[in-house]
Amino acid sequence: QVQLQESGPGLVKPSQTLSLTCTVSGGSISSGGYYWSWIRQHPGKGLEWIGYIYYSGSTYYNPSLKSRVTISVDTSKNQFSLKLSSVTAADTAVYYCARSGEGYLWAFDIWGQGTMVTVSS
Amino acid sequence: QSALTQPRSVSGSPGQSVTISCTGTSSDVGGYNYVSWYQQHPGKAPKLMIYDVSKRPSGVPDRFSGSKSGNTASLTISGLQAEDEADYYCSSYAGSYVFGTGTKVTVL
Repeated sequence: QVQLQESGPGLVKPSQTLSLTCTVSGGSISSGGYYWSWIRQHPGKGLEWIGYIYYSGSTYYNPSLKSRVTISVDTSKNQFSLKLSSVTAADTAVYYCARSGEGYLWAFDIWGQGTMVTVSS
Repeated sequence: QSALTQPRSVSGSPGQSVTISCTGTSSDVGGYNYVSWYQQHPGKAPKLMIYDVSKRPSGVPDRFSGSKSGNTASLTISGLQAEDEADYYCSSYAGSYVFGTGTKVTVL
């Protein structure tokens, strides 16, 4: 059974770059057929899709965040990562990684547990 | 893209049915049959309940059903149970993903 686990610093200073990694277990990113996304949830608020990557490295980002987002994949480690630059307090949120694709094409069938990131000096 | 519009809260007694609406535009909900619904308990990750408007993943009770008419999608929970108390979010894929504003379901 595929599981996702986010990891990374829980505290980031304003203007710096937020970096998170999602480790996939129980399945291989390289097998294809799936899109690997980052989604965030501001405290007490709704969900916001950040972007996704395919195992080949193809990416698609939320237009509202595109200028600050980079998502990459490391198939050798079965991980994909998020970098969000020039962060402000508005980027404080729980960040989830999630899978969509085969069988559930445009729905997220598996989610990580989420990791809280606070932007503060 | 703007967030899809959901009622802030709905409530019902055990055994009753509740319906949550999710209103978008012809560019998202109305234009594609890629509406999904997620259940989120406090402090937990969202869980997929409905995909492609009305399909249920394996393991999701058939008390949960989805539908769509025009630019509005709906999630109905029949035979409401205590464990259904949670936040629910709709989502639509239209080139990129947009989520709903979220609805808190309270079981009275």
